[in-house]
Amino acid sequence: GDSVTQMEGPVTLSEEAFLTINCTYTATGYPSLFWYVQYPGEGLQLLLKATKADDKGSNKGFEATYRKETTSFHLEKGSVQVSDSAVYFCACYMEYGNKLVFGAGTILRVKS
Amino acid sequence: DTGVSQNPRHKITKRGQNVTFRCDPISEHNRLYWYRQTLGQGPEFLTYFQNEAQLEKSRLLSDRFSAERPKGSFSTLEIQRTEQGDSAMYLCASSLAAPTGRETQYFGPGTRLLVL
Repeated sequence: GDSVTQMEGPVTLSEEAFLTINCTYTATGYPSLFWYVQYPGEGLQLLLKATKADDKGSNKGFEATYRKETTSFHLEKGSVQVSDSAVYFCACYMEYGNKLVFGAGTILRVKS
Repeated sequence: DTGVSQNPRHKITKRGQNVTFRCDPISEHNRLYWYRQTLGQGPEFLTYFQNEAQLEKSRLLSDRFSAERPKGSFSTLEIQRTEQGDSAMYLCASSLAAPTGRETQYFGPGTRLLVL
């Protein structure tokens, strides 16, 4: 069935380090891909999205490129800040479905 | 604030009691979704509405769960005879239906349920 796999955390980085969180998906057709962020005790906030192959989503210094050939949507940021500490979820909106399928989430901890 | 709102934010109840949660979507959105998130996991789909019609329900949604969206605006999720396994964060999301599924869902802050 359709699924999303994220790299396991927690990921612990020093401030200004480079971040990569891997995400791959299994789906038929051409899904839309999303990254959501969740701060402690809060709901999910949309971080970025891409709706077709080779699209790059970007927001607040974060980027992810929709790679159909590798079925991936890895999240990157060139220089993380302490305020980026949160849980990051990769999600896939199936082309012929009506729901988001989420990965298990990756905890990011940034130390000053 | 024009985002998705949920009430209450926290609910503690005893096993066997009924609970009801409310979700108010973004006003122009015609789709409304309910998800459940347990500790350390990503959200899992429960059900969704397009306007007032409930179009899909997950197998996770046992017969103790019922959801309504009576006028196509706010929605309620009721859990009857709660069990400790129902303890989770219940998330609501809304969206504007788009062609070929290219829509974006916006989430509320969630209702955290603890069943003692």
